[in-house]
Amino acid sequence: ETGVTQSPTHLIKTRGQQVTLRCSSQSGHNTVSWYQQALGQGPQFIFQYYREEENGRGNFPPRFSGLQFPNYSSELNVNALELDDSALYLCASSLEAGKTDTQYFGPGTRLTVL
Amino acid sequence: AQSVTQLGSHVSVSEGALVLLRCNYSSSVPPYLFWYVQYPNQGLQLLLKYTSAATLVKGINGFEAEFKKSETSFHLTKPSAHMSDAAEYFCAVSDHGNKLVFGAGTILRVKS
Repeated sequence: ETGVTQSPTHLIKTRGQQVTLRCSSQSGHNTVSWYQQALGQGPQFIFQYYREEENGRGNFPPRFSGLQFPNYSSELNVNALELDDSALYLCASSLEAGKTDTQYFGPGTRLTVL
Repeated sequence: AQSVTQLGSHVSVSEGALVLLRCNYSSSVPPYLFWYVQYPNQGLQLLLKYTSAATLVKGINGFEAEFKKSETSFHLTKPSAHMSDAAEYFCAVSDHGNKLVFGAGTILRVKS
């Protein structure tokens, strides 16, 4: 059984560009959540996808968007990058979207915006 | 809305000493609480979770946490610290729909 994987590991972009981050969920999991972790802070919820539909969104602007595919892998897209978007982006998968379902995290993608 | 407060951004203990990391939560509904650990340049690993069963929850690597409703607390403890425990620890509460709300984290330093 493979765990949650994310690609790329590191990414450097310039302000105004667009970026796509990818996540493969753990085998058998149909729910993927994305979090942003700025330096020295706890992760903040961006949004969640459950069976290819958005299932909740945090306080992030519309330029943060996502997709979930039939195999339950997911993408996070960020348009018009800003310096403050520099952070570790974490993907987590869970068996279902219930409150008690444990979220298993991937290693993250470190995004640097110059 | 749910929220989590972790008291102490940095905690330092000697190897073999008791580890106590504090977490207080605010929740309008019965909470589901989690502790995660993050090693440098890595993702989050689940240590333990409380989901309204036993109030004393045992996790991996010798850690445990006790849910105290009257104090709205879910402190993490380990009887004897090991050098390998040095990491950042996050307490989280599960919001509706499985969104996790995290505290700011506590960096644990273990001195030899």
